[in-house]
Amino acid sequence: GESVGLHLPTLSVQEGDNSIINCAYSNSASDYFIWYKQESGKGPQFIIDIRSNMDKRQGQRVTVLLNKTVKHLSLQIAATQPGDSAVYFCAEISGGYQKVTFGIGTKLQVIP
Amino acid sequence: KAGVTQTPRYLIKTRGQQVTLSCSPISGHRSVSWYQQTPGQGLQFLFEYFSETQRNKGNFPGRFSGRQFSNSRSEMNVSTLELGDSALYLCASSLLASGFSSTDTQYFGPGTRLTVL
Repeated sequence: GESVGLHLPTLSVQEGDNSIINCAYSNSASDYFIWYKQESGKGPQFIIDIRSNMDKRQGQRVTVLLNKTVKHLSLQIAATQPGDSAVYFCAEISGGYQKVTFGIGTKLQVIP
Repeated sequence: KAGVTQTPRYLIKTRGQQVTLSCSPISGHRSVSWYQQTPGQGLQFLFEYFSETQRNKGNFPGRFSGRQFSNSRSEMNVSTLELGDSALYLCASSLLASGFSSTDTQYFGPGTRLTVL
């Protein structure tokens, strides 16, 4: 399949372990944040989002944590599976939900 | 329900040429956004169309333009291609929202891989 990014930071985890992917954002006034998953040869897929008035949000096997003090966002994936192998990137939205800035992404490799 | 489709999937052009990419949104979706994805810059917003009108525009030169038709299908055009325009061009559709909304998710297509030689 196609490579989304040739020089991305890579996180390798054992199947069944938990994964933590980090993202530093730039705008302290950002209102809303989204995590995306992009598999090889496919477009990005929405995973989970969080508003700036929250510090934690949980989905199915995924949790997003927001630390506004240090402008840091993390995505935690519980019991990582081979199907979780992909590039993950964050997006910060500001300007009344109009302006979006995407992170470069992290490549997650799951070792069976 | 069919997803977002983009044509062509792969395209090779030479510098100075122009190119038109096509996007068909999910049935019923009226908002279409275009993005450029490169290894060095990541994903960058190009523009968004809703009801045949451009609602938002990113920071790209005027060589990048787009349009939307009455059936919500959208095209993106790049004129006078440069080597740096080589990228994956992604289109995303959503039901109504302008910008991003937690109640109206954007769905991405698989992209068109453009190579400029």
